[in-house]
Amino acid sequence: GDSVTQMEGPVTLSEEAFLTINCTYTATGYPSLFWYVQYPGEGLQLLLKATKADDKGSNKGFEATYRKETTSFHLEKGSVQVSDSAVYFCALLRGGNKLTFGGGTRVLVKP
Amino acid sequence: DTGVSQNPRHKITKRGQNVTFRCDPISEHNRLYWYRQTLGQGPEFLTYFQNEAQLEKSRLLSDRFSAERPKGSFSTLEIQRTEQGDSAMYLCASSFDSGGADTQYFGPGTRLTVL
Repeated sequence: GDSVTQMEGPVTLSEEAFLTINCTYTATGYPSLFWYVQYPGEGLQLLLKATKADDKGSNKGFEATYRKETTSFHLEKGSVQVSDSAVYFCALLRGGNKLTFGGGTRVLVKP
Repeated sequence: DTGVSQNPRHKITKRGQNVTFRCDPISEHNRLYWYRQTLGQGPEFLTYFQNEAQLEKSRLLSDRFSAERPKGSFSTLEIQRTEQGDSAMYLCASSFDSGGADTQYFGPGTRLTVL
């Protein structure tokens, strides 16, 4: 079945540091890929998505490129802020209905 | 657009009791999903509706769980004879089916604690 693996956290960074969160997936066919973010005390929010190979999703300074050859969708941000402290979830969508999520990566940015 | 809402936000119950949660999706969305999230894990799919039809159910959804979407608008998720293992965050999401990779918008969740 479909699965998503992402690096375990917590990831602790200083403000303005570079952030990478690795995400790899296993799925047949051509899934769409998503990053969702969960800020403390809030619900899941879509951060970005990519629907086909080599697509790059971007939002709020975050980027991720759909790499079919490596089945990956790594999330990057060049300069993090304290407000980026959250839990980040990688997910895939195949068949248009259910999302399959990774286990989440907690990111803590210190001033 | 008021977003997806869920009620109650928190529910504490004793083992063996029945509980019911409600989800109100974004008004023009015809798809509605239920997920369960346990502490430190990602959400897991439970079931989804296209309008009022329940189209898929996960094997996680035991016969103690039932979901309805009677008029294709709000949905309810009922858990009968709750067990301590049912303690989790129950998430609802909705989307508009455009035939592609539709974005699912999530509600704040209902946190269930079974004592």
